[in-house]
Amino acid sequence: AQSVTQLGSHVSVSEGALVLLRCNYSSSVPPYLFWYVQYPNQGLQLLLKYTSAATLVKGINGFEAEFKKSETSFHLTKPSAHMSDAAEYFCAVILYNNNDMRFGAGTRLTVKP
Amino acid sequence: KAGVTQTPRYLIKTRGQQVTLSCSPISGHRSVSWYQQTPGQGLQFLFEYFSETQRNKGNFPGRFSGRQFSNSRSEMNVSTLELGDSALYLCASRGGQGLSDTQYFGPGTRLTVL
Repeated sequence: AQSVTQLGSHVSVSEGALVLLRCNYSSSVPPYLFWYVQYPNQGLQLLLKYTSAATLVKGINGFEAEFKKSETSFHLTKPSAHMSDAAEYFCAVILYNNNDMRFGAGTRLTVKP
Repeated sequence: KAGVTQTPRYLIKTRGQQVTLSCSPISGHRSVSWYQQTPGQGLQFLFEYFSETQRNKGNFPGRFSGRQFSNSRSEMNVSTLELGDSALYLCASRGGQGLSDTQYFGPGTRLTVL
């Protein structure tokens, strides 16, 4: 069963515009949630994670995400896109009854000048 | 601290051969996980080792195996390679046993099977 869904395989924004990358999870119990970024030919770098503390999580590079239990969502946002934000972004979940991390299909972000 | 390192970075093999990939975790980290990344299937969990014991395993055939040494370094082996095994293989380490502990990823080994 799919544990995490990312809506939109490609998102394109203009430099300076709002970035919104969507992630929904499927679990009756709120899991641990993560956002990772992957630049070409590199591994994954953690942007931020939700571990049942504050629902608004601030990460690196100006990104933040809000955990919304009622919507089973954990969308990633950044107020103003920068050219260097162009990369692939992955939402991931670890369920309480399973130790493995499950990733969404990824969203490729393009930033136009 | 040095990050997670993986060797080799690139590898080309032919069908039927076997391959061994290596991962050195961040110093002090005892958990090592392996993932396969392909354009079609995305990122999929292979297995996790903690203190030389396999703690969790994904849904992959028995041709995929791994081990962890006493210094926490880990190897992954794929036998009887198939074309579909072409992928980026990522290794990740984490310091604790907690599910929420951050996983730090290496740059990956890109395996091409011809």
